[in-house]
Amino acid sequence: GQSLEQPSEVTAVEGAIVQINCTYQTSGFYGLSWYQQHDGGAPTFLSYNALDGLEETGRFSSFLSRSDSYGYLLLQELQMKDSASYFCAVTITSGTYKYIFGTGTRLKVLA
Amino acid sequence: KAGVTQTPRYLIKTRGQQVTLSCSPISGHRSVSWYQQTPGQGLQFLFEYFSETQRNKGNFPGRFSGRQFSNSRSEMNVSTLELGDSALYLCASSLDSRASGEGGQFFGPGTRLTVL
Repeated sequence: GQSLEQPSEVTAVEGAIVQINCTYQTSGFYGLSWYQQHDGGAPTFLSYNALDGLEETGRFSSFLSRSDSYGYLLLQELQMKDSASYFCAVTITSGTYKYIFGTGTRLKVLA
Repeated sequence: KAGVTQTPRYLIKTRGQQVTLSCSPISGHRSVSWYQQTPGQGLQFLFEYFSETQRNKGNFPGRFSGRQFSNSRSEMNVSTLELGDSALYLCASSLDSRASGEGGQFFGPGTRLTVL
């Protein structure tokens, strides 16, 4: 079957760096995405990796290792507004494309 | 450019009833996907429509169905509602399926369905 694992909750202080891991077991892997969702809000796209390595977008970076079926989201210089849920999502393809989301990691940023 | 809109935002129904949810994608987007979000389960894929055709389907019972119109607007229908159908239903649009796969999905605010 297809599965993704990520920690349910992570806590860090303002200004710190936090890493949210995501491991997956899928067939037809195409790429790994990250989404942020604030309470009561819609998920918003953060980052996408199709190839191994690090993608950097401002304070956020995402990493992928296809051989290890593993990726992570790195958030630097944490701010209170970063308190939200973060979802990794794997795209699989077998002709058409399909998304599988992880159950999400709730990040709490403390002052 | 207007974002993805969903109506209604909140809905209360009783068991056994049916419900129809609506989604208007971003102008020019032809792919619309639907997700169910419940606490602890994350987002679970329901189905995807592209150019009025269902391209993909998740593992949900046949009570869940959808359709897409020629203007790319989409509707989702749930018949014979059960208590477990209470959830946030999210719609996401993208240019096409591949764009979706590469992170180009834009989500609407969702419809919060409560089944009593």
